[in-house]
Amino acid sequence: GAGVSQSPRYKVAKRGQDVALRCDPISGHVSLFWYQQALGQGPEFLTYFQNEAQLDKSGLPSDRFFAERPEGSVSTLKIQRTQQEDSAVYLCASSTINEQFFGPGTRLTVL
Amino acid sequence: GENVEQHPSTLSVQEGDSAVIKCTYSDSASNYFPWYKQELGKRPQLIIDIRSNVGEKKDQRIAVTLNKTAKHFSLHITETQPEDSAVYFCAASWVTGGGNKLTFGTGTQLKVEL
Repeated sequence: GAGVSQSPRYKVAKRGQDVALRCDPISGHVSLFWYQQALGQGPEFLTYFQNEAQLDKSGLPSDRFFAERPEGSVSTLKIQRTQQEDSAVYLCASSTINEQFFGPGTRLTVL
Repeated sequence: GENVEQHPSTLSVQEGDSAVIKCTYSDSASNYFPWYKQELGKRPQLIIDIRSNVGEKKDQRIAVTLNKTAKHFSLHITETQPEDSAVYFCAASWVTGGGNKLTFGTGTQLKVEL
C-alpha cells in the first residue's frame, strides 16, 4: 500500500516568505507527527496530532510555525516569515501504536 | 524531557566485520526504543525496535540489546555488507495509548569498506 507522502519535496523560499508543507499519512493512521531534521542531525520533534486534535506542539520553535490537520487525515505545516535558520528537512510520520512510518521529507532552503 | 546520546558519530568497518552502536537515554519512563536507518537523501526506515520488557531482540544480522538499569541500548550488526552503509539513529519514547514522540540520537555514519 501507499506510504506517507509529502509535498513539495523541495522548496526554496526567500527570507520573509511564507511556506506550506503538506503531509499525506498512511490511510487509517490516527497519529501524525512532524519533525525537523537539520543537516547532519537527528530528527527533532515539532508537533503531534491524534486525529484532528493537536495534542502536543511543544517542539514548535516559534509562533511562526503552525500546523493543522482539520479532517484528521492530511496535515499542513506552515511557516510564516521564513528565516535562514528554518532551512532543514521537514519530516512527517504517521503511526500505529508503536512504529512511526516516515515520509520522504520536504527540504526547505531559505535564502 | 528525554535526552538520547549516541556513539560513535562515525564508524568504519571492513566488510564481514561486526558493528556496534551505543545509545543512552535519560528518562526512566521511556519504554520503546527503535533504530532507524537513513540513506543519503532518503526517509528514515525502521530496522528493529525493542520494548522495555525485553532485554534482547534479534532479526537476522541485526540485534538490539537493552539495559534498563543502566539506561543503555545498543545496535549490533553482524557480517556487515556494503549496503549497510548509512546513517543509523537510535530513538526513545514513552508509549501510551496514543502519542509517542520520538527523541532521536545524533546519528552514526556507518561505512562498510570492501
